[in-house]
Amino acid sequence: ETGVTQSPTHLIKTRGQQVTLRCSSQSGHNTVSWYQQALGQGPQFIFQYYREEENGRGNFPPRFSGLQFPNYSSELNVNALELDDSALYLCASSPGTGPNQPQHFGDGTRLSIL
Amino acid sequence: EDQVTQSPEALRLQEGESSSLNCSYTVSGLRGLFWYRQDPGKGPEFLFTLYSAGEEKEKERLKATLTKKESFLHITAPKPEDSATYLCAVLPNYGQNFVFGPGTRLSVLP
Repeated sequence: ETGVTQSPTHLIKTRGQQVTLRCSSQSGHNTVSWYQQALGQGPQFIFQYYREEENGRGNFPPRFSGLQFPNYSSELNVNALELDDSALYLCASSPGTGPNQPQHFGDGTRLSIL
Repeated sequence: EDQVTQSPEALRLQEGESSSLNCSYTVSGLRGLFWYRQDPGKGPEFLFTLYSAGEEKEKERLKATLTKKESFLHITAPKPEDSATYLCAVLPNYGQNFVFGPGTRLSVLP
């Protein structure tokens, strides 16, 4: 069983640029959530996709957007990058949206903004 | 506002020295409380889900308990391989917004 994979593992961008991060969900999982984790802090919920539709959003500005594809893989897009966007971006997949469907995380993409 | 706090921020134990980690939460209705373990450079690894006060779950040297305001993760006779950051998260009754605490960084010395 292949777990959640994210690409790239590391990325360096400059302020004002745009970035796309990718996530392949675990086999059989139709739900993908994205999180931002700053150094020394817990993950912060960005949004969730369920069967290709956005199913919930945290307190992030519209320049954070996403997409889920028919195979349930997902992308996180961030426009107009700011220094504070430097963080570990985590993707988690689950077989559904309820609390009895535990989320399985990938190892993240480390994004650095110069 | 939904909030999760964890204490202590960091904990150093000798191998075999049992202890407990605390997760305190305020949430407008709880659908579930989750414990994760995160190793450096890795994503969080799911440990437990607790749904209601009084519930307990166990896995090897770990035992999680839940009350109406907090959860404890008890570690019995820890080993160095238990060293990690332990994260607590809650899922409120509304939406899909999992709220994570800042974590407790556990170090178990041989």
